[in-house]
Amino acid sequence: NAGVMQNPRHLVRRRGQEARLRCSPMKGHSHVYWYRQLPEEGLKFMVYLQKENIIDESGMPKERFSAEFPKEGPSILRIQQVVRGDSAAYFCASSQLPSSSYNEQFFGPGTRLTVL
Amino acid sequence: TQLLEQSPQFLSIQEGENLTVYCNSSSVFSSLQWYRQEPGEGPVLLVTVVTGGEVKKLKRLTFQFGDARKDSSLHITAAQTGDTGLYLCAGPLMDSSYKLIFGSGTRLLVRP
Repeated sequence: NAGVMQNPRHLVRRRGQEARLRCSPMKGHSHVYWYRQLPEEGLKFMVYLQKENIIDESGMPKERFSAEFPKEGPSILRIQQVVRGDSAAYFCASSQLPSSSYNEQFFGPGTRLTVL
Repeated sequence: TQLLEQSPQFLSIQEGENLTVYCNSSSVFSSLQWYRQEPGEGPVLLVTVVTGGEVKKLKRLTFQFGDARKDSSLHITAAQTGDTGLYLCAGPLMDSSYKLIFGSGTRLLVRP
């Protein structure tokens, strides 16, 4: 049973370019979460999606960042006009159940974004 | 302000020693999860504790959830070099079942 898959594992962009990060959840999971880990900081929640729906994007910057989880295909985290401060590791997690006290989230290996 | 405080931040011990890592908060969590993260990889789920006072054992690792569900501990018996890594506690607050709040982590080095 394949785990959460993310690609690319490493992404280098110049300032002003766009970054697209992809996440395929575990088989049978329909709930996807994105977290960001800045250098020397803990993971911070960004957004929670179900198929075709954004449930909670309270942790995502209002500008330049967007996320989607289409009916078919992986979830995409898109960062437009990247700046140096966007350099971080971006992790995707998935879960089977959304709302219970036992909501175990399983993480992918992450995408390390470097903005030059 | 960190909602989940982990201590110690760094720990360097000799193989065979015991250690305890703490995860504390002033907030109540509906559950707490412990992860281990290797450099360049994502967090790997070790255990989830749900009930106040719950104790779970995973081989040489013992996890405990505080009675008030505000704190947790991870105890490792007879540490091995393979235990080296970053240990993270995380959990959803009572008002949000999915938004994991992460501690800043404890970086453990087990020396041979």
